[in-house]
This record gives sequence, C-alpha cells and structure tokens, in this order.
Amino acid sequence: DTAVSQTPKYLVTQMGNDKSIKCEQNLGHDTMYWYKQDSKKFLKIMFSYNNKELIINETVPNRFSPKSPDKAHLNLHINSLELGDSAVYFCASSLQREKFFGPGTRLTVT
Amino acid sequence: AQSVAQPEDQVNVAEGNPLTVKCTYSVSGNPYLFWYVQYPNRGLQFLLKYITGDNLVKGSYGFEAEFNKSQTSFHLKKPSALVSDSALYFCAVSPTDKLIFGTGTRLQVFP
Repeated sequence: DTAVSQTPKYLVTQMGNDKSIKCEQNLGHDTMYWYKQDSKKFLKIMFSYNNKELIINETVPNRFSPKSPDKAHLNLHINSLELGDSAVYFCASSLQREKFFGPGTRLTVT
Repeated sequence: AQSVAQPEDQVNVAEGNPLTVKCTYSVSGNPYLFWYVQYPNRGLQFLLKYITGDNLVKGSYGFEAEFNKSQTSFHLKKPSALVSDSALYFCAVSPTDKLIFGTGTRLQVFP
C-alpha cells in the first residue's frame, strides 16, 4: 500500500557506470519529481514531470535523464556516474503543491 | 531570489520542555508552507502545512506551527518534547509547484 515507492533502496556502483532508479506512485497524482539530498542533507529539486511531460529541469547535468513511461512512473537514469553523484535521491508526487515523498535511494559511487 | 532560512543547525531540548524550530522565508506571493521530518536513514515525512486561514496549524505527533506574515516566519513548535522527536526537520515553501527547502535543523531531545 506504499504511496510512493522507489527501487532500489541502496545502490553501490563504480565510477563510469550507468544506473537507473525507479519510482512509482499509486496516488493518482499528475506531477512527479526527483529531489537530491547531498552529504550535508541539503535537499534540492532536480526534475518535475506533469502527465509525462518535463516541467522543471534545475540545471542538472545531462548525464541525468528522467523518463516517465506513464504518469504513475518517473525513473531516473544516470550515465557515466561520478563520485559527486553520491547522494540520497528522493522521488515525490504532488497534489495541489503538497508533496508525498518516497523512502529514498542511497546512491554510493566508488 | 526565493529562499528559506533555518537559522539553527541544531536545537537541543530536555524531554518534557517546549521546543521551537525556527523558519523564515523570502518568496513572492502567498506560498504554501510545510514542515517535514526525516528520521535517521528514513525518507521525508509530512508534518503539517499552511495554505490559508488560521495562523496556527496543527500537525502530526503533537506538532504545530505558527504562520506570521509580517515576519515571514513559520516556526515549528511542540509544547512538550519527547526523546523520539529527535530527528532532522525541514521547513519548505512552495510559491509555485516547486518546493524550496531550508537547510534543515537537527532536533536533539535529551532524557
């Protein structure tokens, strides 16, 4: 019954690899997001999708490519991973600006 | 630039005492205001929100927040702190669809 789910919960990989994080919401919301929380716990929006269309792209490197196959899913693909990509990535969906967050994916790049 | 400030990196309080976690914001218009809590190695949990109406908003786990438009503040409060309230608290504002977070305040409640 999880409202916003993400997989995997933990991801450890080497520099240069390509990886994906999946997100699904069963709330029927039209808008989904990716947020990044860095090692200092700062939270910042990366992308926003509304009904499968990109709405917000916060100057994220183009190695990051979100993909929304339908409005219930927003996946994040990262190419050529770098050490600085290590962070916790949160997916969220929203209804009238109230955000519902997933549990997060802790990405560690070695 | 639109921003949210949480001036205290950490707040320490004894169990049973009242607590306040401060938040001020600088955004245009009438934003929605939120508080989220993050327990260690957990995701973000919604605590409460202000959209319009009564300036005192009640939320989960006995928390409340007071909206002050003239001071552009939205401080989080609880009358009696519990050790289990120890966590990282984020204030956030939503002037549009985008949610802007403060830097977070770590609340430590001592027994």
